[in-house]
Amino acid sequence: AQSVTQPDIHITVSEGASLELRCNYSYGATPYLFWYVQSPGQGLQLLLKYFSGDTLVQGIKGFEAEFKRSQSSFNLRKPSVHWSDAAEYFCAVEGGTDKLIFGTGTRLQVFP
Amino acid sequence: GAGVSQSPSNKVTEKGKDVELRCDPISGHTALYWYRQSLGQGLEFLIYFQGNSAPDKSGLPSDRFSAERTGGSVSTLTIQRTQQEDSAVYLCASSLLESYNEQFFGPGTRLTVL
Repeated sequence: AQSVTQPDIHITVSEGASLELRCNYSYGATPYLFWYVQSPGQGLQLLLKYFSGDTLVQGIKGFEAEFKRSQSSFNLRKPSVHWSDAAEYFCAVEGGTDKLIFGTGTRLQVFP
Repeated sequence: GAGVSQSPSNKVTEKGKDVELRCDPISGHTALYWYRQSLGQGLEFLIYFQGNSAPDKSGLPSDRFSAERTGGSVSTLTIQRTQQEDSAVYLCASSLLESYNEQFFGPGTRLTVL
């Protein structure tokens, strides 16, 4: 069965510091992979997605993610975090079933 | 263009009452999804509609939950005889299958069952 693991429930960083949010998936073939962000009281916004091709994908708001097949990972990165990045981040996988399987999310807190 | 809209944004109900939650997908999107976001549980798939095909109901937690999609557009999620454990944010999403299942989410309906 497909699954997604986000090992970090809560991460705190200082503004301007770099960020990496971890995501590991379980799926037999190459899945479609997504990162969504949810600000307080808001719906989910797509940050970036991976379907095929270049394993380093660029998204909105300066985020990027790298697909590593050997590690079954799709970690999200940003070189310099802004206070407005404080939110909850969800990794998701779609593996041929047309529905997304989400991780439990990582809450990002940013200190000035 | 307009995004996915959901109504109401908040719903407070008493245990045992029925509730209806509405979703208006993006115009032209053929697929529509319902998810539930519970505190500490993450996002849980409930049901999926694709065109005129039979919906995928595999995520519905009990027979108290049902959904319909009229005319291939608006969808209503109905919860009968609500229980306190039904309290959650219910999110709707829509997509074009041609876009490799990129789903666009609405703002959600926060349901509180007293």
